[in-house]
Amino acid sequence: RKEVEQDPGPFNVPEGATVAFNCTYSNSASQSFFWYRQDCRKEPKLLMSVYSSGNEDGRFTAQLNRASQYISLLIRDSKLSDSATYLCVVNPPGSARQLTFGSGTQLTVLP
Amino acid sequence: ETGVTQSPTHLIKTRGQQVTLRCSSQSGHNTVSWYQQALGQGPQFIFQYYREEENGRGNFPPRFSGLQFPNYSSELNVNALELDDSALYLCASSLAGGGSPLHFGNGTRLTVT
Repeated sequence: RKEVEQDPGPFNVPEGATVAFNCTYSNSASQSFFWYRQDCRKEPKLLMSVYSSGNEDGRFTAQLNRASQYISLLIRDSKLSDSATYLCVVNPPGSARQLTFGSGTQLTVLP
Repeated sequence: ETGVTQSPTHLIKTRGQQVTLRCSSQSGHNTVSWYQQALGQGPQFIFQYYREEENGRGNFPPRFSGLQFPNYSSELNVNALELDDSALYLCASSLAGGGSPLHFGNGTRLTVT
């Protein structure tokens, strides 16, 4: 079983749609969780951290369910500029800053 | 604030050769991590350096080695290149400690023929 699993997609959605990505992780003792965004042939960039209480940043909402070892990202009112690969990232315990990345979910927002 | 910079941007090498990739960390960041990203995959952790010492290593063979210098810049060296080493190599810097995010450089795209 992969340490971090994501649906690879692709997700093709129209502008203005709401889209949700899911991710599961295998190490129940993991402490830190993130979503990164990666544009084609570019480096990953931090989109947002994920907290147990859930957190929101504008049109983006991240949720963490520790009991199910499940992380989600919701994008509301999709923009063309949201087209990218979204990487689910977990920091396993005892491994300071050694992040484990999922394979990414590809999103294309269509005009 | 200067971000993470990597050089070279692109590189083509022949199987069996050796390569050195370079990374300058973001100003004030004392920890550097290296990742390998194959096409269609997420980045895979290679190793991390803190205060010039290796501070964790992923599942990569010994022919992948590194250095960190007093100014926190870093090198990744790969010996005896194999075709499967073709990938995007990403350097990321951060402050030590579990809460600070990673800041990635633009990466070096290595092609081994």
